[in-house]
Amino acid sequence: DADVTQTPRNRITKTGKRIMLECSQTKGHDRMYWYRQDPGLGLRLIYYSFDVKDINKGEISDGYSVSRQAQAKFSLSLESAIPNQTALYFCATSAWDRGNTGELFFGEGSRLTVL
Amino acid sequence: AQSVTQLGSHVSVSEGALVLLRCNYSSSVPPYLFWYVQYPNQGLQLLLKYTTGATLVKGINGFEAEFKKSETSFHLTKPSAHMSDAAEYFCAVGEGGGSQGNLIFGKGTKLSVKP
Repeated sequence: DADVTQTPRNRITKTGKRIMLECSQTKGHDRMYWYRQDPGLGLRLIYYSFDVKDINKGEISDGYSVSRQAQAKFSLSLESAIPNQTALYFCATSAWDRGNTGELFFGEGSRLTVL
Repeated sequence: AQSVTQLGSHVSVSEGALVLLRCNYSSSVPPYLFWYVQYPNQGLQLLLKYTTGATLVKGINGFEAEFKKSETSFHLTKPSAHMSDAAEYFCAVGEGGGSQGNLIFGKGTKLSVKP
């Protein structure tokens, strides 16, 4: 089983719908992240969480919200989806202990299409 | 503020030829530097990282990178390209020196390998 699991892997929805992308991890890492990938733009950070009680906005948080339900679970919500939120979304984890130096471990991505 | 520049959004090489993917960074603190690879329809996978110590870093699949502080560069190389190296490659910089900051990604370089 993958260490970082994202669901759903693919989703097509309509403008105005509420969408939740879920992420769970078995790596035991404290830090979790949501990134968005668009062609030619690389990865941009949406939100990150250093522990259950710590949530921070990233570079492009407008239109998104997150919830850290437990150390292992971090979900991303689009309250009212719009077409320019069509993208590939990645969840990632990291740690700064036991030999880890902040490198990210990624899920396989969730491809979201908003019509 | 940290930033990463990857020179060339697309690089094409022949099978067996040298692969050189360029990455320059800016950071006001000692950087941690990373290269990630993304194969089609997959998440990002760590290729190699530089934190401290030896400036020539070896990674998986025959790739290596050299940290050059004077040039603020961390170029990725492989002596002989293989068809299976075709993928997108991302350079990232993080704040070392105990700052434990988040990673900043470049926009990516897509590598094509011609038979």
